Order: sequence, then C-alpha cells, then structure tokens
Amino acid sequence: KAGVTQTPRYLIKTRGQQVTLSCSPISGHRSVSWYQQTPGQGLQFLFEYFSETQRNKGNFPGRFSGRQFSNSRSEMNVSTLELGDSALYLCASSPRGQETQYFGPGTRLLVL
Amino acid sequence: GQSLEQPSEVTAVEGAIVQINCTYQTSGFYGLSWYQQHDGGAPTFLSYNGLDGLEETGRFSSFLSRSDSYGYLLLQELQMKDSASYFCAVRDYGQNFVFGPGTRLSVLP
Repeated sequence: KAGVTQTPRYLIKTRGQQVTLSCSPISGHRSVSWYQQTPGQGLQFLFEYFSETQRNKGNFPGRFSGRQFSNSRSEMNVSTLELGDSALYLCASSPRGQETQYFGPGTRLLVL
Repeated sequence: GQSLEQPSEVTAVEGAIVQINCTYQTSGFYGLSWYQQHDGGAPTFLSYNGLDGLEETGRFSSFLSRSDSYGYLLLQELQMKDSASYFCAVRDYGQNFVFGPGTRLSVLP
C-alpha cells in the first residue's frame, strides 16, 4: 500500500496570507489527524477527522481549520498567517479501531 | 490537562542497551505509543502498550505501568541508525493525541 502523502512539501508565504495543505491517507484509513511540529513546542495535535467529521480539536486558534472529503483525503487551512505559524505540518492516518498512526512526510511552511 | 515527560537527551554506544522513560500526568488514556523520528523525517510507529506490561518487537521493547504513571522504551543492541528522536504519546479519553517532548538519542561508535 502507498503511504500517507502530503502536498506541497515546502511552502513559503508572507504574513497575512492564507495556506491550504493537503493530505491523502493510506487506502482504507478513515481517520486523519494533523499536527504542528516546531523545535520549541514539539508535536502538537491540531485536529482529527473521521468519516468527514471533526472528531476532536487541539488548543489552536480558529485560524486553523480543516476538512475531510468522502474519499478520506483531508485538507487543513491556516488563515491570516503569522510568523509563529512557521513549522512542519504533519498528517497521520489510522486504521479503524487502532491507535497506531502512520505519518506523512510533512509540509514545511515558512512564513516571512 | 495532559502532559508527558521525557529526558531531553540520551547518549549510548553501539551495541549497548538504552532505556527511555516517559512519565505522565493524564486523567485517562487508552494506551501508550512510541514513535521514532530521524532528522528531516516523519515519525514512524515503534510500539504500543494498551495494557500494563512488556511488549517486545525485535530489538525494541516497551513497558507500561498505569499504577506508576510510567512507561519506557528499551532499545537493545544499539546501532548507529538508531540515532533519532523518540516520542511517547497517548490518546486521552477526550480523543486528543498528546505527544511527549521527545528524547534525542545519540549512538556513538
């Protein structure tokens, strides 16, 4: 099976812009989670989607949003970008009923 | 809230055994997972403890004691390629995933 894929891999934006990141989970996985990883804060949970519904959300401002499509592909959007949003954004998918998460390679976002 | 604590760095030599501890304060969780992340790479799953006790997967073993709020990852027969960051993680009863800060393991020749 193909692994989790994320696009784009690298992105440079300026403050105030918005960005959309995409994630395709492993075939058959219906749960998709998003994380932000920075050197200072580590891996922080953003939100999880299951069957097109947001199941839970981490402690991030409303500028961070996401959605999941019927084919389980997911997107996350960050509006009004701030310098502090520069990070590696990771997506992970999980098989139903399992705790194991399979991570994609991430999208490295740089906000200037 | 939930919090996991890990040592920030551990150093060991090739062929040795190293234990990476994870202590936690959380109201409840389903199980303790461990992930490995090499520099520039994505986290990869290593092990999961749903119940107390030891789980063994090749050179890696993981242990959980809910009564002691403690778990660890044991790496045996260390190899240079084991140099990476290791994270413990839980999914709490609120369905949120919480990761520890990570332990950077350096394996020396």
